[in-house]
Amino acid sequence: QKEVEQNSGPLSVPEGAIVSLNCTYSDRGSQSFFWYRQYSGKSPELIMFIYSNGDKEDGRFTAQLNKASQYVSLLIRDSQPSDSATYLCAVATGNQFYFGTGTSLTVIP
Amino acid sequence: EPEVTQTPSHQVTQMGQEVILRCVPISNHLYFYWYRQILGQKVEFLVSFYNNEISEKSEIFDDQFSVERPDGSNFTLKIRSTKLEDSAMYFCASCGQGIAYEQYFGPGTRLTVT
Repeated sequence: QKEVEQNSGPLSVPEGAIVSLNCTYSDRGSQSFFWYRQYSGKSPELIMFIYSNGDKEDGRFTAQLNKASQYVSLLIRDSQPSDSATYLCAVATGNQFYFGTGTSLTVIP
Repeated sequence: EPEVTQTPSHQVTQMGQEVILRCVPISNHLYFYWYRQILGQKVEFLVSFYNNEISEKSEIFDDQFSVERPDGSNFTLKIRSTKLEDSAMYFCASCGQGIAYEQYFGPGTRLTVT
């Protein structure tokens, strides 16, 4: 059973805070790693993908991957109220994708 | 901006009936996927489809389910003999480059089985 675990929430932070979201996965053969944002009642929206060890930055978001530790994280800087959503970690093995249960984030103005 | 579309947005059906959920992927995309999300639960992979055949499928995707690309634009998920536990949001996604690249999700079809 391939598992994707995310840090428990919900998280509530003030506007402007730095938020760190964590995800671990069980399958060492996993090749690609994704962070999605899902607003209530909506479909997942891709924020970033990463497939090499290290950091990948895109604006206020930084994804970090450590394959040896089977760990992937997402850092959100200068968080905004519009960042309030559930953040989903997804892991690809072959052409199958496994999602975590998500971490709910609320950014308070 | 190109987007994945899905119809209908909401489907209500009686237990035991067959439903077909429709998706129009982004036009130049090559890889297609179906997912489901039961209310309050995680997104679950059902099946991936490439070059007119199933690429991978999960243990959820049993004989009750089938997928088809009947023409150059549509991608369908058929659920036979629906059960109450099939009630969920079903998302279609498409991808242009393959597993390492971006999947774009459609808005979903909410299936309610009564």
